[in-house]
Amino acid sequence: DQQVKQNSPSLSVQEGRISILNCDYTNSMFDYFLWYKKYPAEGPTFLISISSIKDKNEDGRFTVFLNKSAKHLSLHIVPSQPGDSAVYFCAAFHSGTYKYIFGTGTRLKVLA
Amino acid sequence: DGGITQSPKYLFRKEGQNVTLSCEQNLNHDAMYWYRQDPGQGLRLIYYSQIVNDFQKGDIAEGYSVSREKKESFPLTVTSAQKNPTAFYLCASSIDGTGGHQPQHFGDGTRLSIL
Repeated sequence: DQQVKQNSPSLSVQEGRISILNCDYTNSMFDYFLWYKKYPAEGPTFLISISSIKDKNEDGRFTVFLNKSAKHLSLHIVPSQPGDSAVYFCAAFHSGTYKYIFGTGTRLKVLA
Repeated sequence: DGGITQSPKYLFRKEGQNVTLSCEQNLNHDAMYWYRQDPGQGLRLIYYSQIVNDFQKGDIAEGYSVSREKKESFPLTVTSAQKNPTAFYLCASSIDGTGGHQPQHFGDGTRLSIL
């Protein structure tokens, strides 16, 4: 039962344009959502998060949008840079279990 | 520098052998986690510990065991009962395992292969 889904395994974007990574979830009890970035042979690093009571959080070039009614969140990267090329995971946190549930990841390639 | 250290980076195991993956953190974090990553799949939770001397099973605990005798250490043993142990294993920690959603810090992983 995949509670957090990233339906696009890969995405290619031209440098300077917007990258939009999507994530869907099924459990309405999740309290927080997080995005992580992962380079090959390294562990994921935290990027940005959003509380379930908000619909937008922004940090520099990164913005996360949450649509609770659709159980959907997205990460926008503007402008995209070649260094952004990595695998991006979304994760959901359930305060009742203190567990983080991860999606399968989307590989972003930013073309110079 | 504060962080999480996983060792070794690559590990090979013979069929029927137990093997222990090391995870050490000097971030003074209370909570620690072990995940497994397989190709095309997300990170799946094996075990987690919110505080010293306490740990809980995650979603795929069968064939694995852990201990949390010290705050900074959370070793994972892959036992011979784990039928498909070949995977990339990630250890993580967060400040407080009981209070909320603090982002996790990850080690660089151990890749385990069966000979």
